[in-house]
Amino acid sequence: RKEVEQDPGPFNVPEGATVAFNCTYSNSASQSFFWYRQDCRKEPKLLMSVYSSGNEDGRFTAQLNKASQYVSLLIRDSQPSDSATYLCAVSTGAGKSTFGDGTTLTVKP
Amino acid sequence: EPEVTQTPSHQVTQMGQEVILRCVPISNHLYFYWYRQILGQKVEFLVSFYNNEISEKSEIFDDQFSVERPDGSNFTLKIRSTKLEDSAMYFCASSETTPAETQYFGPGTRLLVL
Repeated sequence: RKEVEQDPGPFNVPEGATVAFNCTYSNSASQSFFWYRQDCRKEPKLLMSVYSSGNEDGRFTAQLNKASQYVSLLIRDSQPSDSATYLCAVSTGAGKSTFGDGTTLTVKP
Repeated sequence: EPEVTQTPSHQVTQMGQEVILRCVPISNHLYFYWYRQILGQKVEFLVSFYNNEISEKSEIFDDQFSVERPDGSNFTLKIRSTKLEDSAMYFCASSETTPAETQYFGPGTRLLVL
């Protein structure tokens, strides 16, 4: 089993759609959880840190379920500029972050 | 806004040659990392570095790899004898205090081994 597993994608949605990405992790000692966005051939850029209580930033909402070892990202009213690969990253806090394979999103105008 | 910088942006080398990839982490950050991403694959952790020593490393980070903080600002990754399969994008990252915090990534060095 992969340490961090994401929806395989790709997701192709029309502008304005709501899209949800899921991520599961296998290490129960994981402490920190992040969603990054990666544009083609560029570095990952932090989208959101994910907290136990869940958090929201504009059109983006992240949820964490530690009991089920599951992290999610919801994008409302998706825009063409949201088109990218979304990476789930999990850290044990001991110096190592593990990334999922990423889920590619294309939002068509 | 402070950012992680990396040089060179692209490097082409012959198999068996040594390469050194350079990074300047954000100035007040204490933890530094190297990751690699082979084309079309996921971002893979190589090593983390804190207080002038390796904090954690992955199974990819074998004896061919080494890291160093030669001065107060640079953080380097050396590959002693490059292989074809070392061709990848190498990202440096840094975090302010602990790995549990957000890691900020540099723009990467694209390494091509021929």
